[in-house]
Amino acid sequence: KAGVTQTPRYLIKTRGQQVTLSCSPISGHRSVSWYQQTPGQGLQFLFEYFSETQRNKGNFPGRFSGRQFSNSRSEMNVSTLELGDSALYLCASSPAGYNEQFFGPGTRLTVL
Amino acid sequence: DQQVKQNSPSLSVQEGRISILNCDYTNSMFDYFLWYKKYPAEGPTFLISISSIKDKNEDGRFTVFLNKSAKHLSLHIVPSQPGDSAVYFCAASESDSWGKLQFGAGTQVVVTP
Repeated sequence: KAGVTQTPRYLIKTRGQQVTLSCSPISGHRSVSWYQQTPGQGLQFLFEYFSETQRNKGNFPGRFSGRQFSNSRSEMNVSTLELGDSALYLCASSPAGYNEQFFGPGTRLTVL
Repeated sequence: DQQVKQNSPSLSVQEGRISILNCDYTNSMFDYFLWYKKYPAEGPTFLISISSIKDKNEDGRFTVFLNKSAKHLSLHIVPSQPGDSAVYFCAASESDSWGKLQFGAGTQVVVTP
């Protein structure tokens, strides 16, 4: 079974731009969660989607948004990028009713 | 506020010996705990988990112990192998927040020959 895939793997943007990251979960997994990893803050939960509905949300500003499609693929969008948004963005998927999440390789976003 | 804490940023252990990683939590609503291992430039890999109704779970070389009264869990790796050198994250979740894991800051483990 293929793992979680994330595209693109690396991205460089400038302040003020917006960016969209994509995540394809493991086949059959309906829950997709997003995390931000930075050296100072560690792994921080952004949001979780299940059956196209946002079920949980972390403490991030409204510039961070996401969505999930009917095939469970998910996208996250960051608008008006700031230097502090430079991070590794990780997507994880899990089957319904399971706590174990399976992570993709991440998208490394650099904001200049 | 950091609800999951890993107070040891690093651990060095000899090959063949036991590695013990510790994790403390403050939220009494957490009822499921997980350990992940992460290599550079890769996403975290799930290792082992434990429900709050248990105090021990074992899977091969990995054993997780949970002490609910102390709000403490630990991961034992026996025997440690060079391939175990990685960053280990402790994570926790609440039953009414499926899909939301709260992570500790991680412990860098180095296994030396």
